[in-house]
Amino acid sequence: KAGVTQTPRYLIKTRGQQVTLSCSPISGHRSVSWYQQTPGQGLQFLFEYFSETQRNKGNFPGRFSGRQFSNSRSEMNVSTLELGDSALYLCASSHGTDYEQYFGPGTRLTVT
Amino acid sequence: AQSVAQPEDQVNVAEGNPLTVKCTYSVSGNPYLFWYVQYPNRGLQFLLKYITGDNLVKGSYGFEAEFNKSQTSFHLKKPSALVSDSALYFCAVRDEGSSNTGKLIFGQGTTLQVKP
Repeated sequence: KAGVTQTPRYLIKTRGQQVTLSCSPISGHRSVSWYQQTPGQGLQFLFEYFSETQRNKGNFPGRFSGRQFSNSRSEMNVSTLELGDSALYLCASSHGTDYEQYFGPGTRLTVT
Repeated sequence: AQSVAQPEDQVNVAEGNPLTVKCTYSVSGNPYLFWYVQYPNRGLQFLLKYITGDNLVKGSYGFEAEFNKSQTSFHLKKPSALVSDSALYFCAVRDEGSSNTGKLIFGQGTTLQVKP
C-alpha cells in the first residue's frame, strides 16, 4: 500500500507570496492532519480534516487554511508569507481518532 | 491542558547496550500515547502506541515502551541499540480537549546517538 505523499517536497517563496501544499493520504484513510515543524517550536498542530470537514484547528493565524476533497486528498494554503513561516510542513493520515497517524515526507518551505 | 515532556535533548548509548528514551505526560483522562522516529530530511515514522491493555507495548524495529500510570510515563526502550537507531524520537499524546479528534501533542524530541 502506498504511503502518504506530499507535493512539492521543496519550495522557495518570497515574503508576501502565497503557497499551496498538497497531501495524498493512504488509500482508505479519511482523516488528514497537518503539522508545522520548526527547530524552535517543534511539532505544532495546524488542522485536521475528516470527510471534507475541518474537525480541529491549532493556534495559527487565519493566513493558514486548508481543505479536503471528496477523495480525501488535502491541501493547505498559506497567504502573505512571512519569514517565520519557513518550516517543514508534515501531513499525516489515519483511519480515525483511535488509530495511529502515518506521516508523509513533508514539504520544506523556505521564505526569503 | 495536555502536555508531553521529553526531559533529555540527547541520549548517547554504545551499540549493543540497552537504550531508554524518556517521556512523561499530563492528561486529565486516559491517555492515548505514541512514539515516532524521524530520520534526517524525512517525515515521522510510527513506532508504537498505547491505547489500553498491557502496560508493555511492543512496536517496530525491536522497540518497546512501558506505560506507567502512577508515574505518568511512557518510556521507549530497546534491549540492544544499533547504530542505525540514531535519529530523533518524539513522544506524543492524543489531545482530549476536543471530542473525536486525532490531534497529537508532541514532546520536543530526543536525539538518540548510538556509537559503534
